[in-house]
Amino acid sequence: GQQVMQIPQYQHVQEGEDFTTYCNSSTTLSNIQWYKQRPGGHPVFLIQLVKSGEVKKQKRLTFQFGEAKKNSSLHITATQTTDVGTYFCNNAGGTSYGKLTFGQGTILTVHP
Amino acid sequence: DSGVTQTPKHLITATGQRVTLRCSPRSGDLSVYWYQQSLDQGLQFLIQYYNGEERAKGNILERFSAQQFPDLHSELNLSSLELGDSALYFCASSGTGASPFGYTFGSGTRLTVV
Repeated sequence: GQQVMQIPQYQHVQEGEDFTTYCNSSTTLSNIQWYKQRPGGHPVFLIQLVKSGEVKKQKRLTFQFGEAKKNSSLHITATQTTDVGTYFCNNAGGTSYGKLTFGQGTILTVHP
Repeated sequence: DSGVTQTPKHLITATGQRVTLRCSPRSGDLSVYWYQQSLDQGLQFLIQYYNGEERAKGNILERFSAQQFPDLHSELNLSSLELGDSALYFCASSGTGASPFGYTFGSGTRLTVV
């Protein structure tokens, strides 16, 4: 099944710095979903991207879907301590095993 | 409250034992997914049920089994437990196989095998 690889695995930033995490696939993705898991919490759905080149914003978060639909990124502007957590991407839908596996995600630490 | 209820929240048991984890999906959701998350690991997909039937299987061990009942709640049974089974087990639900609103996760069951 399709697998998405996420980089980096860890990212440490100073509060106020920007942060970007990337999801890459060797095959075309039907869609990409992003989730955030706070320390000690459960994953929470953030957004879904479907269209080639799609860009969506949620306050300081900007989500992009590549033109070829093989990669996606999540960019956080001016990080805050509340942004701490693990960010997962997932190619959702269908019953292919690969589409239901989230992978390791990117663990973001924000130093005040 | 996400709408997905998992019980118990914490479970401590000995090696060789058997436990049952329970999940009630969000109202109206037909699909239930089970995931295992170990320290520093991502979310490992175990199994999916849709309206009572098994829909997809991940790397679920033979010692593990699950089912979804007519009222759509699901149970994950873990038997012959080993120390390595200690993990956070999440249940998630969605309306159908694919949802533009994502999967809704429960708060998880933290299993500790001693």
